[in-house]
Amino acid sequence: AQSVTQLGSHVSVSEGALVLLRCNYSSSVPPYLFWYVQYPNQGLQLLLKYTTGATLVKGINGFEAEFKKSETSFHLTKPSAHMSDAAEYFCAVTSPSGGYQKVTFGTGTKLQVIP
Amino acid sequence: DTGVSQDPRHKITKRGQNVTFRCDPISEHNRLYWYRQTLGQGPEFLTYFQNEAQLEKSRLLSDRFSAERPKGSFSTLEIQRTEQGDSAMYLCASSYPGDTEAFFGQGTRLTVV
Repeated sequence: AQSVTQLGSHVSVSEGALVLLRCNYSSSVPPYLFWYVQYPNQGLQLLLKYTTGATLVKGINGFEAEFKKSETSFHLTKPSAHMSDAAEYFCAVTSPSGGYQKVTFGTGTKLQVIP
Repeated sequence: DTGVSQDPRHKITKRGQNVTFRCDPISEHNRLYWYRQTLGQGPEFLTYFQNEAQLEKSRLLSDRFSAERPKGSFSTLEIQRTEQGDSAMYLCASSYPGDTEAFFGQGTRLTVV
């Protein structure tokens, strides 16, 4: 069984401030972890993913996330928020053998960027 | 290649009517997935195909739902006798088998009135 918990359904940051979106997972096997972004009435776009190897993963648009097994976390960060980062962000988990049919998504975090 | 395409983008229907959505995956991808996303939630898996074979269906996919991928290319998702609880965003994604990335379409937003 696997699950994802995203802490904070809404996060507000000032433009230029650090973005930190929290994700904790539960998985009985080594997980594959993902962060997606969704703009209003749009599909999901992959920001970054962790499968194996380096635990600090860099993605698009200046985002990165660190896989911390001991904390079962995969928090998403960006040093400096931009207005265009305002969107909803989803953390997701699957297993190496699970594939996308076994992906479990979190409930999402809406990021507001204040000018 | 323009990515995963879904049609229509928006659909408003009366309760009890049938609706059909279409998904055109990225052409080289032989896996195709359908998800449902309700307001305030993340996407939930409905079903997936490898080529034309439907390999798995979620228990969310009631008897009123049917999906096809007749030639292993585009797919359709039909909902019969729609109910208000069917109102959601229906997302399609495609990938290669074993790939660690699936590409999503822009979704079809269904509103049942």
